[in-house]
Amino acid sequence: AQRVTQPEKLLSVFKGAPVELKCNYSYSGSPELFWYVQYSRQRLQLLLRHISRESIKGFTADLNKGETSFHLKKPFAQEEDSAMYYCALPRGYTNAGKSTFGDGTTLTVKP
Amino acid sequence: GAVVSQHPSWVICKSGTSVKIECRSLDFQATTMFWYRQFPKQSLMLMATSNEGSKATYEQGVEKDKFLINHASLTLSTLTVTSAHPEDSSFYICSARVSRDNSPLHFGNGTRLTVT
Repeated sequence: AQRVTQPEKLLSVFKGAPVELKCNYSYSGSPELFWYVQYSRQRLQLLLRHISRESIKGFTADLNKGETSFHLKKPFAQEEDSAMYYCALPRGYTNAGKSTFGDGTTLTVKP
Repeated sequence: GAVVSQHPSWVICKSGTSVKIECRSLDFQATTMFWYRQFPKQSLMLMATSNEGSKATYEQGVEKDKFLINHASLTLSTLTVTSAHPEDSSFYICSARVSRDNSPLHFGNGTRLTVT
């Protein structure tokens, strides 16, 4: 069965420190993963997707098929990064675009 | 960019009444939309997939007679919580994709439902 695991519900770091939000997945096919972010009082929005291989707001995420991980990283956290982050795995064409979401990680960046 | 509008943002209703929530894709057509519940500091729980012109597909454990979904046009899906009870109080979110493939989801801003 398809599953996404975010082991940390809460993560707190100081401003300027590196941050890594973990995401592990189980999927039999070739995965395509996303990170979504929800800032306080705002809607969920796409942060980045692995096929883009881009850096958004200083965040990067590398798909590691060997470890079945898609961890989100930023070398120097900022206070405005405080938000809830979700890792998501689309279920593919046969499921009309449904996605499996992790439970989310609330990141707090302290001044 | 693609925008999904959800209305109302918040609603308070009395127990036993019904509440309708609208989800609109403003600048694209969405043959499929998704409805979720989100509990405080928790993940999104997919409730159902709304299909334009056909019946919605409900996830296991979600009562279809309780949560009526109508997707009458390519830009509008509605979720009606019928005979609402306090335990239905939650944050409801809709989303849609621009295309049928694994493109990113675009989310509405959510509806906070409080049933008194």
